[in-house]
Amino acid sequence: AQSVTQLGSHVSVSEGALVLLRCNYSSSVPPYLFWYVQYPNQGLQLLLKYTTGATLVKGINGFEAEFKKSETSFHLTKPSAHMSDAAEYFCAVKRAGKSTFGDGTTLTVKP
Amino acid sequence: ETGVTQSPTHLIKTRGQQVTLRCSSQSGHNTVSWYQQALGQGPQFIFQYYREEENGRGNFPPRFSGLQFPNYSSELNVNALELDDSALYLCASSPGQGSLDYGYTFGSGTRLTVV
Repeated sequence: AQSVTQLGSHVSVSEGALVLLRCNYSSSVPPYLFWYVQYPNQGLQLLLKYTTGATLVKGINGFEAEFKKSETSFHLTKPSAHMSDAAEYFCAVKRAGKSTFGDGTTLTVKP
Repeated sequence: ETGVTQSPTHLIKTRGQQVTLRCSSQSGHNTVSWYQQALGQGPQFIFQYYREEENGRGNFPPRFSGLQFPNYSSELNVNALELDDSALYLCASSPGQGSLDYGYTFGSGTRLTVV
């Protein structure tokens, strides 16, 4: 079985500050890991993914995430928040074609 | 790329009724998955189709069923609607057989309200 835990359902940062969204997973075998972003009344958009190879992966809109096997974590970061980053973010683990999503973290960016 | 389109965008049905939601996958994507997203939660996997056959299913009862067609379109059917079926239903497509390391392309969803 696989599961995803996103620590903090709401995160608030000031514009220009570091963004850190936390994700921990459990999986019986090494998973594929994804981050998605969802804007209001829209579907999910893929930000980045980890499959194999380099553990630090870069995505769109300046986001990146680091896969840490020893910590079973895949935290999402962005050095400097922008107002347009305000949205809901979902971490997902994928095995055998099935994706399991966390419950999401709502990011608020204050001016 | 045409993306993934879903119809309708919003729908209100009465408890006990049946509903069909439709999805047009991105061109070339032969795997389609359906997810249910309740308010304040992450998407929950309903099932997945590859080349018109179901090849994965989540913890949803048989009254949730689907079809995939050769033209990259698909349907989600729900019978005997219950109030708890109220949610955003997301269609997602991907290339390959779904078991590989592809992310999904999601549609904007259908908001179903059961009253």
